Amino acid sequence: NAGVTQTPKFRVLKTGQSMTLLCAQDMNHEYMYWYRQDPGMGLRLIHYSVGEGTTAKGEVPDGYNVSRLKKQNFLLGLESAAPSQTSVYFCASSPPQGNTEAFFGQGTRLTVV
Amino acid sequence: LAKTTQPISMDSYEGQEVNITCSHNNIATNDYITWYQQFPSQGPRFIIQGYKTKVTNEVASLFIPADRKSSTLSLPRVSLSDTAVYYCLVGDRGSQGNLIFGKGTKLSVKP
Repeated sequence: NAGVTQTPKFRVLKTGQSMTLLCAQDMNHEYMYWYRQDPGMGLRLIHYSVGEGTTAKGEVPDGYNVSRLKKQNFLLGLESAAPSQTSVYFCASSPPQGNTEAFFGQGTRLTVV
Repeated sequence: LAKTTQPISMDSYEGQEVNITCSHNNIATNDYITWYQQFPSQGPRFIIQGYKTKVTNEVASLFIPADRKSSTLSLPRVSLSDTAVYYCLVGDRGSQGNLIFGKGTKLSVKP
């Protein structure tokens, strides 16, 4: 049982380049999330989705776009990467019920130079 | 979403019991209290969740007073491997959809 899988695990981008981070979950969860975590900081919510075909903004959505075309996948896109987007990105998924736990991927370490 | 306040850091020694308190004065009726643990270079991991009174599992206990304006995560007899950041989350994901983390408490366990 893979759980939540993030692809890639590491990436170096040049300023202005674009890329897409893929999050895949095999638990049939309705909800999915994208976070960024900067050194020594907590997780900040970028975007989230409460179901296939839906997305919503989180705390720090600027500079990112997302898509949830399939229930099991949640894509995070950077159209024009900036050094300020250097961070570790975490994806998570959960059932919709409030009394359930969320499951996290192992993270994607992104460096923008 | 209920805002949470927890200590930035705590130190402990192996074998001690550690209690981390989280304040959430504006908790709503439908909100659950959930704690996650995060090791360096890993995603957070669920530890425990509760609504009221006391909850215990194989890892920790969660104490919630009657007014639910605070909660305490209790880790019995910590070891070096319990060194991590602990996050307290309060909310009703079922209606709100999102999952917001605060800054967490960095627990350092010393030998």
